[in-house]
Amino acid sequence: GQLQESGPGLVKPSQTLSLTCSVSGDSISGGMFHWSWIRQQPGKGLEWIGHISDSGRTTYNPSLKSRVTISEDTTNNRFSLSLRSVTAADTAVYYCARQGPGYTGYEVDTWGQGILVIVSA
Amino acid sequence: QAVLTQPPSASGTPGQRVTISCSGSRYNIENHIMHWYQQFPGMAPKLLITSNNERPSGVPDRFSASKSGTSASLAISRLQSEDEADYYCASWDNSLSGYMVFGGGTKLTVL
Repeated sequence: GQLQESGPGLVKPSQTLSLTCSVSGDSISGGMFHWSWIRQQPGKGLEWIGHISDSGRTTYNPSLKSRVTISEDTTNNRFSLSLRSVTAADTAVYYCARQGPGYTGYEVDTWGQGILVIVSA
Repeated sequence: QAVLTQPPSASGTPGQRVTISCSGSRYNIENHIMHWYQQFPGMAPKLLITSNNERPSGVPDRFSASKSGTSASLAISRLQSEDEADYYCASWDNSLSGYMVFGGGTKLTVL
């Protein structure tokens, strides 16, 4: 399968960052996969944001949980990220990705190309 | 502060064997299959190998992984210039409500 992120590349502080991941070659509601968001701040390491399962159950990184919502649009085979009350620290490349089921350790086997989102006034 | 601890850098000369360590806890590495990812500058990471030594198609067998207790390591034998990249370890973590954690990454330089 292939994943493609889309959304605004610039968001103002205190506003909501919204991104969509379009999935092709896979059904987000079929199979045992989880559909994830992972980010990478400039020059830094990877940070898992959360995922949504094929049944619509969400799990979030505790450090971001209060500001994050991941939702799905099964009709259009895509899923979305909403991150509220952003600050400059949320400036990052955001990747959508596919994770395997629990018995694989939730391995991330497919990644989108990533989208840079800058938080600035 | 990453939950899993990796050395920030590693290096080796072509043909050498290098290892990259990853240290965690009983909440993550000790009780879960963990993974290694390779990332080139400006590119998305890609799955390299799991702690069960399973490699996706196309990953050479020069890459191997091992795990013992709360630590894991990635070994690269017969080092090549094309191996120069950032390497991240990752694991599911059962603390709190369960989430995925990454190491801070190791930049491998081929001298």
